[in-house]
Amino acid sequence: AQKITQTQPGMFVQEKEAVTLDCTYDTSDPSYGLFWYKQPSSGEMIFLIYQGSYDQQNATEGRYSLNFQKARKSANLVISASQLGDSAMYFCYDRGYSTLTFGKGTMLLVSP
Amino acid sequence: DADVTQTPRNRITKTGKRIMLECSQTKGHDRMYWYRQDPGLGLRLIYYSFDVKDINKGEISDGYSVSRQAQAKFSLSLESAIPNQTALYFCATSDVNTRGEAFFGQGTRLTVV
Repeated sequence: AQKITQTQPGMFVQEKEAVTLDCTYDTSDPSYGLFWYKQPSSGEMIFLIYQGSYDQQNATEGRYSLNFQKARKSANLVISASQLGDSAMYFCYDRGYSTLTFGKGTMLLVSP
Repeated sequence: DADVTQTPRNRITKTGKRIMLECSQTKGHDRMYWYRQDPGLGLRLIYYSFDVKDINKGEISDGYSVSRQAQAKFSLSLESAIPNQTALYFCATSDVNTRGEAFFGQGTRLTVV
């Protein structure tokens, strides 16, 4: 069975600083994919970044990057140069064989 | 138009009432899911379907039922709503033939009073 753990219920960061949101995974599938989504207060789910288990390099999408450490089973999201609009809930999930398994999320608050 | 559409977007209902949440998609994906979101608990899987004839219970299926009327439509029913079913409900789709990215509906905010 898959399990995703996000240990930080809430994080605070000042505008323009970098922040790392943690995600660890536990899966027996040799081929897996890890995703990060952002959920602003309006509620919609917005795709941010993807990392496949066979990808050789860490994924990057603009200000978002993944610190993917396979041996430690972690796929931490790094947001560089935080903006006020980054304040939101962030979810990590694993694309398993049968279902999508989500972590409990981290609420990020960016202050001026 | 959105790829995954949920109706209604908001609903207030009384305890004991039957309510249906509907989801339709234009992605052409076989896999569809219903999740509920509660503060501090993340997204928990209610039901999922791999095709019209394949429906599976998730981790919190008690009190819920589903119907996959067509590849594009997947409905969630609360047979007799209770207050602890108050939550944000999401329908999602994914394609097993690609990297498995989930496409979400806009969510349905359900309040049971």
